Amino acid sequence: SYELAQPPSVSVSPGQTASITCSGDKLWDKYVCWYQQKSGQSPVLVIYQDKKRPSGIPERFSGSNSGNTATLTISGTQAMDEADYYCQAWDSNSVVFGGGTKLTVL
Amino acid sequence: EVQLVESGGGLIHPGGSLRLSCAASGFAVSNNYMNWVRQAPGKGLEWVSIIYSDGTTYYADSVKGRFTISRDTSKNTLYLQMNSLRAEDTAVYYCARVIAGRDNTFHHFYYMDVWGKGTTVTVPS
Repeated sequence: SYELAQPPSVSVSPGQTASITCSGDKLWDKYVCWYQQKSGQSPVLVIYQDKKRPSGIPERFSGSNSGNTATLTISGTQAMDEADYYCQAWDSNSVVFGGGTKLTVL
Repeated sequence: EVQLVESGGGLIHPGGSLRLSCAASGFAVSNNYMNWVRQAPGKGLEWVSIIYSDGTTYYADSVKGRFTISRDTSKNTLYLQMNSLRAEDTAVYYCARVIAGRDNTFHHFYYMDVWGKGTTVTVPS
């Protein structure tokens, strides 16, 4: 079965850029989306189809997908961005989630 | 307003059954792909099942043969019938609306744009 790998944790200082990676075999050939989940809340879609932002998601969130790695980038990270982030792709009539990355804003 | 509200969770003994409901408002469940995702305590997201607008269903291997996804058009509600429950089924269960299709390069896209707040299922070991 298909697998997506994410680093368990990423730390960033306020105002700096945070990058969260998601790796999978031939991931460039799939569309990736990203969800943000704050403590005790439901996930929220922040990026879909690799790089598109839903309405209401700040411009500081961006995405890319190349080779075997997709990346969620948060520019000018704010304290409110501290959360768990999950990548997700579709493979063979099944949804695959990455294991999640805890973003800490120090 | 587009909204999903789950209900039906609770404490159930191993081997028991439970039916979760997900009431939708602001859109028609039958015209959309809908799925269930669960999250065990302190763990990540795990996809459980999907129902397409044409009624086609798929399941994660971990629940295949035990869980059944369905919908009631008249009630605009999605369901998850869970049988033969195990301790490892303990989780918060979310329903979510799915946007899926293929673009002009025939690449599949699939993402969940609306989520409910979840309902908790506990199966003691």
